[in-house]
Amino acid sequence: GQSLEQPSEVTAVEGAIVQINCTYQTSGFYGLSWYQQHDGGAPTFLSYNALDGLEETGRFSSFLSRSDSYGYLLLQELQMKDSASYFCAGEGSSASKIIFGSGTRLSIRP
Amino acid sequence: ETGVTQSPTHLIKTRGQQVTLRCSSQSGHNTVSWYQQALGQGPQFIFQYYREEENGRGNFPPRFSGLQFPNYSSELNVNALELDDSALYLCASSAPGTSDTQYFGPGTRLTVL
Repeated sequence: GQSLEQPSEVTAVEGAIVQINCTYQTSGFYGLSWYQQHDGGAPTFLSYNALDGLEETGRFSSFLSRSDSYGYLLLQELQMKDSASYFCAGEGSSASKIIFGSGTRLSIRP
Repeated sequence: ETGVTQSPTHLIKTRGQQVTLRCSSQSGHNTVSWYQQALGQGPQFIFQYYREEENGRGNFPPRFSGLQFPNYSSELNVNALELDDSALYLCASSAPGTSDTQYFGPGTRLTVL
Protein backbone atom coordinates (compact mmCIF):
# COMPACT_ATOMS: atom_id res chain seq x y z
CA GLY A 1 0.00 0.00 0.00
CA GLN A 2 0.90 3.64 -0.06
CA SER A 3 1.15 5.84 3.00
CA LEU A 4 2.80 9.00 4.23
CA GLU A 5 3.50 9.56 7.92
CA GLN A 6 3.79 12.96 9.61
CA PRO A 7 3.76 14.13 13.24
CA SER A 8 0.24 15.18 14.19
CA GLU A 9 1.23 18.37 16.02
CA VAL A 10 4.24 20.68 16.29
CA THR A 11 4.57 23.82 18.43
CA ALA A 12 7.16 26.53 17.83
CA VAL A 13 7.96 30.10 18.84
CA GLU A 14 7.51 33.14 16.64
CA GLY A 15 10.74 33.98 14.83
CA ALA A 16 12.17 30.48 15.26
CA ILE A 17 12.75 27.65 12.76
CA VAL A 18 10.69 24.47 12.59
CA GLN A 19 11.04 21.25 10.61
CA ILE A 20 8.10 19.03 9.71
CA ASN A 21 9.09 15.51 8.70
CA CYS A 22 7.39 13.12 6.32
CA THR A 23 8.23 9.48 5.71
CA TYR A 24 6.57 7.57 2.96
CA GLN A 25 5.90 4.13 1.57
CA THR A 26 4.72 4.27 -2.02
CA SER A 27 5.34 2.30 -5.15
CA GLY A 28 6.40 4.09 -8.30
CA PHE A 29 7.05 7.24 -6.34
CA TYR A 30 7.54 10.34 -8.46
CA GLY A 31 7.97 13.17 -6.00
CA LEU A 32 6.90 14.86 -2.79
CA SER A 33 4.74 17.96 -2.50
CA TRP A 34 3.87 20.14 0.47
CA TYR A 35 0.63 22.01 1.07
CA GLN A 36 -0.51 24.49 3.71
CA GLN A 37 -4.10 24.63 4.91
CA HIS A 38 -5.51 27.21 7.30
CA ASP A 39 -8.61 26.33 9.30
CA GLY A 40 -11.66 26.60 7.08
CA GLY A 41 -9.53 27.13 3.97
CA ALA A 42 -8.35 25.08 1.02
CA PRO A 43 -4.89 23.53 0.73
CA THR A 44 -2.35 25.83 -0.91
CA PHE A 45 0.67 24.48 -2.78
CA LEU A 46 4.02 25.29 -1.15
CA SER A 47 6.72 23.24 -2.88
CA TYR A 48 7.57 20.10 -4.83
CA ASN A 49 10.68 17.91 -4.82
CA ALA A 50 11.16 15.60 -7.78
CA LEU A 51 14.86 15.04 -7.10
CA ASP A 52 16.90 14.53 -3.96
CA GLY A 53 18.04 17.67 -2.26
CA LEU A 54 16.80 21.00 -1.02
CA GLU A 55 14.34 23.34 -2.72
CA GLU A 56 14.10 26.85 -1.33
CA THR A 57 11.20 29.25 -1.75
CA GLY A 58 11.53 32.30 0.46
CA ARG A 59 11.11 31.37 4.13
CA PHE A 60 10.09 27.82 3.19
CA SER A 61 12.43 25.03 2.10
CA SER A 62 11.70 21.40 1.32
CA PHE A 63 14.05 18.44 1.27
CA LEU A 64 13.78 14.95 -0.22
CA SER A 65 15.89 11.82 0.18
CA ARG A 66 14.59 9.01 -2.01
CA SER A 67 17.03 6.48 -0.57
CA ASP A 68 15.61 7.14 2.91
CA SER A 69 11.97 7.57 1.73
CA TYR A 70 11.99 10.78 3.72
CA GLY A 71 11.38 14.44 3.27
CA TYR A 72 10.85 17.52 5.36
CA LEU A 73 9.50 21.03 5.20
CA LEU A 74 11.56 23.73 6.88
CA LEU A 75 9.93 27.00 7.91
CA GLN A 76 12.19 29.87 8.95
CA GLU A 77 11.48 33.18 10.68
CA LEU A 78 8.13 31.85 11.84
CA GLN A 79 5.22 34.25 11.83
CA MET A 80 1.88 33.89 13.61
CA LYS A 81 0.19 33.54 10.21
CA ASP A 82 2.15 30.32 9.66
CA SER A 83 -0.12 28.60 12.17
CA ALA A 84 -1.88 26.06 9.97
CA SER A 85 -1.91 22.40 9.00
CA TYR A 86 0.83 21.20 6.68
CA PHE A 87 0.45 18.15 4.45
CA CYS A 88 3.00 16.19 2.52
CA ALA A 89 1.69 14.46 -0.60
CA GLY A 90 3.23 11.79 -2.77
CA GLU A 91 2.61 11.30 -6.46
CA GLY A 92 2.75 7.64 -7.36
CA SER A 93 2.11 5.59 -10.42
CA SER A 94 -0.73 3.48 -8.96
CA ALA A 95 -4.42 4.15 -9.47
CA SER A 96 -4.41 6.37 -6.39
CA LYS A 97 -2.23 8.98 -7.98
CA ILE A 98 -1.89 11.49 -5.18
CA ILE A 99 -1.69 10.37 -1.56
CA PHE A 100 -1.76 12.93 1.25
CA GLY A 101 -0.37 12.48 4.72
CA SER A 102 -2.72 13.05 7.64
CA GLY A 103 -1.24 16.48 8.25
CA THR A 104 0.81 18.27 10.90
CA ARG A 105 -0.87 21.02 12.86
CA LEU A 106 1.67 23.78 13.50
CA SER A 107 0.96 26.13 16.40
CA ILE A 108 3.06 29.28 16.81
CA ARG A 109 3.52 30.88 20.23
CA PRO A 110 4.47 34.56 20.65
CA GLU B 1 -6.51 34.57 -14.33
CA THR B 2 -9.49 32.95 -12.60
CA GLY B 3 -8.76 30.49 -9.81
CA VAL B 4 -10.54 27.22 -9.06
CA THR B 5 -14.15 27.70 -8.03
CA GLN B 6 -16.61 25.25 -6.54
CA SER B 7 -20.34 25.26 -5.95
CA PRO B 8 -22.21 25.12 -3.73
CA THR B 9 -20.18 26.15 -0.68
CA HIS B 10 -22.41 24.28 1.74
CA LEU B 11 -24.99 21.56 1.26
CA ILE B 12 -27.21 19.54 3.55
CA LYS B 13 -28.70 16.26 2.36
CA THR B 14 -30.38 13.27 3.96
CA ARG B 15 -29.22 9.69 3.85
CA GLY B 16 -30.08 7.94 0.59
CA GLN B 17 -30.23 11.11 -1.49
CA GLN B 18 -27.98 11.99 -4.42
CA VAL B 19 -25.76 15.04 -4.74
CA THR B 20 -23.86 16.79 -7.54
CA LEU B 21 -20.93 19.07 -6.76
CA ARG B 22 -19.36 21.34 -9.36
CA CYS B 23 -15.89 22.65 -10.05
CA SER B 24 -14.45 25.12 -12.53
CA SER B 25 -10.76 24.63 -13.22
CA GLN B 26 -8.16 27.33 -13.34
CA SER B 27 -7.66 28.72 -16.83
CA GLY B 28 -5.36 26.51 -18.93
CA HIS B 29 -5.64 23.50 -16.62
CA ASN B 30 -6.87 20.28 -18.27
CA THR B 31 -6.56 17.97 -15.27
CA VAL B 32 -8.90 17.95 -12.30
CA SER B 33 -8.77 15.82 -9.18
CA TRP B 34 -11.43 15.39 -6.51
CA TYR B 35 -10.74 14.79 -2.84
CA GLN B 36 -12.74 14.05 0.28
CA GLN B 37 -11.45 15.60 3.49
CA ALA B 38 -12.88 14.56 6.83
CA LEU B 39 -12.34 16.83 9.82
CA GLY B 40 -8.77 16.63 11.08
CA GLN B 41 -7.64 14.38 8.23
CA GLY B 42 -5.71 14.83 5.02
CA PRO B 43 -7.50 14.95 1.68
CA GLN B 44 -8.36 11.48 0.35
CA PHE B 45 -8.03 11.06 -3.41
CA ILE B 46 -11.33 10.13 -5.09
CA PHE B 47 -10.43 10.31 -8.79
CA GLN B 48 -8.75 12.38 -11.45
CA TYR B 49 -9.96 13.43 -14.88
CA TYR B 50 -7.75 14.34 -17.81
CA ARG B 51 -9.26 15.53 -21.09
CA GLU B 52 -12.71 14.26 -20.11
CA GLU B 53 -11.49 10.73 -19.23
CA GLU B 54 -11.03 9.22 -15.77
CA ASN B 55 -7.30 8.98 -15.24
CA GLY B 56 -6.98 7.31 -11.87
CA ARG B 57 -9.23 6.41 -8.98
CA GLY B 58 -8.80 6.08 -5.26
CA ASN B 59 -10.45 3.63 -2.89
CA PHE B 60 -14.01 4.90 -3.23
CA PRO B 61 -17.10 2.87 -4.19
CA PRO B 62 -18.79 3.19 -7.60
CA ARG B 63 -21.53 5.41 -6.15
CA PHE B 64 -18.89 8.15 -6.39
CA SER B 65 -18.74 9.14 -10.05
CA GLY B 66 -17.55 12.09 -12.04
CA LEU B 67 -17.56 13.95 -15.29
CA GLN B 68 -15.26 16.41 -16.97
CA PHE B 69 -16.58 18.68 -19.70
CA PRO B 70 -14.86 20.06 -22.84
CA ASN B 71 -14.21 23.35 -21.02
CA TYR B 72 -12.47 21.26 -18.29
CA SER B 73 -15.08 22.02 -15.66
CA SER B 74 -16.05 18.98 -13.64
CA GLU B 75 -18.75 17.36 -11.55
CA LEU B 76 -18.65 14.93 -8.66
CA ASN B 77 -21.79 12.85 -8.19
CA VAL B 78 -22.49 10.80 -5.10
CA ASN B 79 -25.47 8.44 -5.03
CA ALA B 80 -27.16 6.79 -2.06
CA LEU B 81 -25.59 9.18 0.43
CA GLU B 82 -24.40 7.76 3.73
CA LEU B 83 -23.75 9.57 7.01
CA ASP B 84 -19.99 8.98 6.58
CA ASP B 85 -20.06 10.95 3.34
CA SER B 86 -20.24 14.12 5.42
CA ALA B 87 -16.98 15.92 4.66
CA LEU B 88 -15.33 18.76 2.78
CA TYR B 89 -15.09 17.94 -0.91
CA LEU B 90 -12.21 19.60 -2.69
CA CYS B 91 -11.41 19.79 -6.34
CA ALA B 92 -7.95 20.70 -7.58
CA SER B 93 -6.79 21.53 -11.08
CA SER B 94 -3.34 21.26 -12.56
CA ALA B 95 -1.69 22.31 -15.78
CA PRO B 96 -0.66 19.74 -18.40
CA GLY B 97 2.19 17.56 -17.08
CA THR B 98 2.23 19.16 -13.64
CA SER B 99 -0.14 17.09 -11.49
CA ASP B 100 2.38 17.45 -8.70
CA THR B 101 1.34 21.10 -8.39
CA GLN B 102 -2.36 21.36 -7.75
CA TYR B 103 -4.52 24.41 -7.21
CA PHE B 104 -7.40 23.76 -4.89
CA GLY B 105 -10.84 25.28 -4.86
CA PRO B 106 -12.44 26.45 -1.61
CA GLY B 107 -14.38 23.21 -1.26
CA THR B 108 -17.99 22.18 -0.70
CA ARG B 109 -18.98 21.29 2.85
CA LEU B 110 -21.46 18.39 2.61
CA THR B 111 -23.51 17.37 5.63
CA VAL B 112 -25.56 14.18 5.45
CA LEU B 113 -28.28 13.82 8.08
